Amino acid sequence: AQTVTQSQPEMSVQEAETVTLSCTYDTSESDYYLFWYKQPPSRQMILVIRQEAYKQQNATENRFSVNFQKAAKSFSLKISDSQLGDAAMYFCAYRRVSRDDKIIFGKGTRLHILP
Amino acid sequence: NAGVTQTPKFRILKIGQSMTLQCTQDMNHNYMYWYRQDPGMGLKLIYYSVGAGITDKGEVPNGYNVSRSTTEDFPLRLELAAPSQTSVYFCASSPGQGGKTQYFGPGTRLLVL
Repeated sequence: AQTVTQSQPEMSVQEAETVTLSCTYDTSESDYYLFWYKQPPSRQMILVIRQEAYKQQNATENRFSVNFQKAAKSFSLKISDSQLGDAAMYFCAYRRVSRDDKIIFGKGTRLHILP
Repeated sequence: NAGVTQTPKFRILKIGQSMTLQCTQDMNHNYMYWYRQDPGMGLKLIYYSVGAGITDKGEVPNGYNVSRSTTEDFPLRLELAAPSQTSVYFCASSPGQGGKTQYFGPGTRLLVL
């Protein structure tokens, strides 16, 4: 069975600094998708970035980028120039390419931004 | 587009009561999902649907039922509520398989006392 592990329950970063959130996953599939979701205090789940496993190039969305290491089954999220609005829970998620399309979420990392 | 809407936002139930959590999407998505999020945890899939008339169990289906009579609506029914069902419930929809993004509703907070 697929699993997603986020080993950092909480992290803090100074405003304007860079922070990296870790995620590892376990799967026997070769084709799948990985996501980072942000959940602010409003509880809404917001997609931050996604990565297709068949693509070697790391995905980037403005200040957010990932370091995807397929062989190591690692998918870390880097947030550059951290802003107060980045404070939230961040969930790493895995989705296999199949009919059922179930997404498996990690337990999350709570990110604090220090002014 | 309103996206994915959920009602109610918050509800208190007594043990043994029943209720239906409503979920509606206006994006014509075929795929819809129900998740629950317990405190300090990630989301766990309860039920999902790949189209009208088709539903399947997720990871934690016990105590819940769903139906999908239309593309837009995917209600979640709780029968005989138990304290273990105290959680935040999220509905999501997706236009398709694989890498297609799931769009989440704002969540329903349920407290069973």
